This record gives sequence, C-alpha cells and structure tokens, in this order.
Amino acid sequence: SQQGEEDPQALSIQEGENATMNCSYKTSINNLQWYRQNSGRGLVHLILIRSNEREKHSGRLRVTLDTSKKSSSLLITASRAADTASYFCATDDTGRRALTFGSGTRLQVQP
Amino acid sequence: DAGVTQSPTHLIKTRGQQVTLRCSPKSGHDTVSWYQQALGQGPQFIFQYYEEEERQRGNFPDRFSGHQFPNYSSELNVNALLLGDSALYLCASSLNRNQGGYTFGSGTRLTVV
Repeated sequence: SQQGEEDPQALSIQEGENATMNCSYKTSINNLQWYRQNSGRGLVHLILIRSNEREKHSGRLRVTLDTSKKSSSLLITASRAADTASYFCATDDTGRRALTFGSGTRLQVQP
Repeated sequence: DAGVTQSPTHLIKTRGQQVTLRCSPKSGHDTVSWYQQALGQGPQFIFQYYEEEERQRGNFPDRFSGHQFPNYSSELNVNALLLGDSALYLCASSLNRNQGGYTFGSGTRLTVV
C-alpha cells in the first residue's frame, strides 16, 4: 500500500520558476528520500533526509522534513525544461527494510 | 562502475504463462529489492533478498517468488500471469550496512495479454 499522498498530483510551470511538491506519510521513519522518474523508466535518487534533520540542500534542490506533522517538501529552484518528470517521495520506515512510495507529482516545465 | 542492470527491457507474455526477470546489482552492493509499478502509480515493494534469503516481503501473493545468487544477482519469477501483473518491475540494490542508499535499475516493462 502507498505510504501517503503527494500534493499536487500534477504541476505545470514556466522555465525559471520554482516548483514545490509536498509529501505526507503515516509511520515512524528512519529517513525520507526523493526520486525522479522520466517517462516511466528507472528511478533516479535525488536526495535523502534523515529523521533527525530538518532541511537539506543539493544544488537547486531543497528538502524539508517535519516529523511532527509527518510531512516533507521538495523545492526545485530556477526550474528547467529538463526537470520535466514525475517526482516521488519514499520513506524508509523504522523496523522495515523497504521503501514505501507516495503516488508522485507529475511536473511539467514549459520552455 | 556499472549501476543496476535489469533484463530484459521489455517483455510480452500471455495470461497463465510464467516469467523470469533478472537483476545485477551495483558493484559493491549485497542486497536486492524488487518493486512493481503500475501505470500512473508509485512503486510497491515486492520483496528483498540478502544473503540469498528473502528477508522482507510486501503484500504480494506467492505467485511472486525470487532468488538471489552468490554473486548477489537476483531473479524475480511470476507464475500464472494475470492481466493485472502488467507493470514496470524495478530492481534496487543497496549495501546492507548502509541505511537508505538505494540504486534503481531502469526496469523491465512486462505486458500480459
């Protein structure tokens, strides 16, 4: 079963704008990860944030984690057409050696 | 350094048949997990193999089985295929002692007709 929901399900923006995606989850976690998927192919790992971290940056990516609200957000700054893809959050749940994925956000960046 | 390699890339099978999908993990990784991704949905965990044993299993029927070989590569077998088994099957490798570091392959697209 899916861990939680991602919001929005779809997002369309212009190149250069920022894109924000949100993820909610239900259980206790070791870490939360964000992945990108192009055209139904393999998943590319973007960033991992541990349960004791609140914010993490990697290039144009900024991730926040609020364990009290069981939520995370992914911000992509200065988006490019090449950022067009589906983005998934996945939780590495405490006591379970598996990732539980959200339903994904489809991002379309218009050139 | 090769990443995760999956074969075949695409596969078409008939209802009731059996299928075997293969995965070679990233160099240095010893754990392999399999996921099923239906169209428009997030991946769902099938099972994980470590030290040639199934260590964890998701909510999938026992028509889904697997194997891990001494070289850490893995197979996913699905028997008595149903139309609903049509999906992208993803393999992910990791190092057992390293929490959270998963590398995914490009997947096998299975179509059951």
